[in-house]
Amino acid sequence: NAGVTQTPKFRVLKTGQSMTLLCAQDMNHEYMYWYRQDPGMGLRLIHYSVGEGTTAKGEVPDGYNVSRLKKQNFLLGLESAAPSQTSVYFCASSYRVGSRNTIYFGEGSWLTVV
Amino acid sequence: LAKTTQPISMDSYEGQEVNITCSHNNIATNDYITWYQQFPSQGPRFIIQGYKTKVTNEVASLFIPADRKSSTLSLPRVSLSDTAVYYCLVGGAGGFKTIFGAGTRLFVKA
Repeated sequence: NAGVTQTPKFRVLKTGQSMTLLCAQDMNHEYMYWYRQDPGMGLRLIHYSVGEGTTAKGEVPDGYNVSRLKKQNFLLGLESAAPSQTSVYFCASSYRVGSRNTIYFGEGSWLTVV
Repeated sequence: LAKTTQPISMDSYEGQEVNITCSHNNIATNDYITWYQQFPSQGPRFIIQGYKTKVTNEVASLFIPADRKSSTLSLPRVSLSDTAVYYCLVGGAGGFKTIFGAGTRLFVKA
């Protein structure tokens, strides 16, 4: 019963390096999301997707890119990492029945940019 | 996009009932209200969801008045393990954008 799986769980990057966070869900959900959470703060939406091949910007999209080539996967890329991107990243997926939306989260990916 | 307002933090003692109220004055007709719980170093998890009146499950109850401009999450007889951040979300939030607020930090003391 995997649900939403994120890899890697921990990563340290140097400023200017690039990396990709992978999110996979096995619940056949249409909708997927990437959030970031800074210490002591709430979740902020980076990008989201309403279906395979689609992506859209959230609250804080700058410095990130995403792709949803397969329904079950949602990738978050950092092209040139900055210390301000040090955060915990959560991937989520959801299904909707009418206007009822239920979101399932992964366990998080801890990213440190030095 | 329905904006929500919750208390920043609450304290309680073990065994007490805790009620966390969320205000959502501009809730849309079709919006549902959903509450999530987040423990430190974990992703949020779904607790309860409702549209009107009262919903109860094994974890909590959700009370929604007739005007639906607010909702109250009720946690019966809390324990130390209920210490967490609780988020109130309304609707699918502007289509599919799902925006979380700052949440309410509940601290349960022995």
